[in-house]
Amino acid sequence: SYVLTQPPSVSVAPGKTARITCGGNNIGSKSVHWYQQKPGQAPVRVINYDNDRPSGIPERFSGSNSGNTATLTISRVEAGDEADYYCQVWDTSSDRGVFGGGTKLTVL
Amino acid sequence: EVQLVQSGAEVKKPGESLKISCQGSGYSFTSYWIGWVRQMPGKGLEWMGIIYPGDSDTRYSPSFQGQVTISADKSISTAYLQWASLKASDTAMYYCARATQLYSPFDCWGQGTLVTVSS
Repeated sequence: SYVLTQPPSVSVAPGKTARITCGGNNIGSKSVHWYQQKPGQAPVRVINYDNDRPSGIPERFSGSNSGNTATLTISRVEAGDEADYYCQVWDTSSDRGVFGGGTKLTVL
Repeated sequence: EVQLVQSGAEVKKPGESLKISCQGSGYSFTSYWIGWVRQMPGKGLEWMGIIYPGDSDTRYSPSFQGQVTISADKSISTAYLQWASLKASDTAMYYCARATQLYSPFDCWGQGTLVTVSS
């Protein structure tokens, strides 16, 4: 089965850039979606299809996907960005969706 | 406004059955997939399965195949997740979410249903 690997945690100072990776075998051939989940809330998508930002999501959020790694980049990080972030793909070989294990972003 | 409204929290005993619901509104319910996602306490998101209410086409994660049943009643715009015999390890928050296609992101989420299984 297809596995997505994320670092458990990433820490960044306010105003700096956070990069959260999502590793998978040839993930560059798949469409990757990213979600933000704050405590006690349902997830919210922040990036569609590798690098498309949904309406209402700040331009500070961007994505890329190539080879075996997809990356969510958050520029000029703010305290309100502190949350868990999950990547997700559709695995055509097994005909199912897959989430990464999640990354806790801490704003120092 | 597009909305998915889930049924309320449940407290059950091991071995009991349960069916939780997810009602869609503000869009054509039969034209979108509805997925179910588990989140165990303090853990990450797990993709359980997905159904297309238009024709009841359903896909399951191997981890959940045979453990739960996903269904939908398009006449009342409602999707369901059910268990025949609950276990303590089924204690979790369960979310439903909408997707345009199987490979699409979940663009709208329900508020979650907390299921607690305890003797």
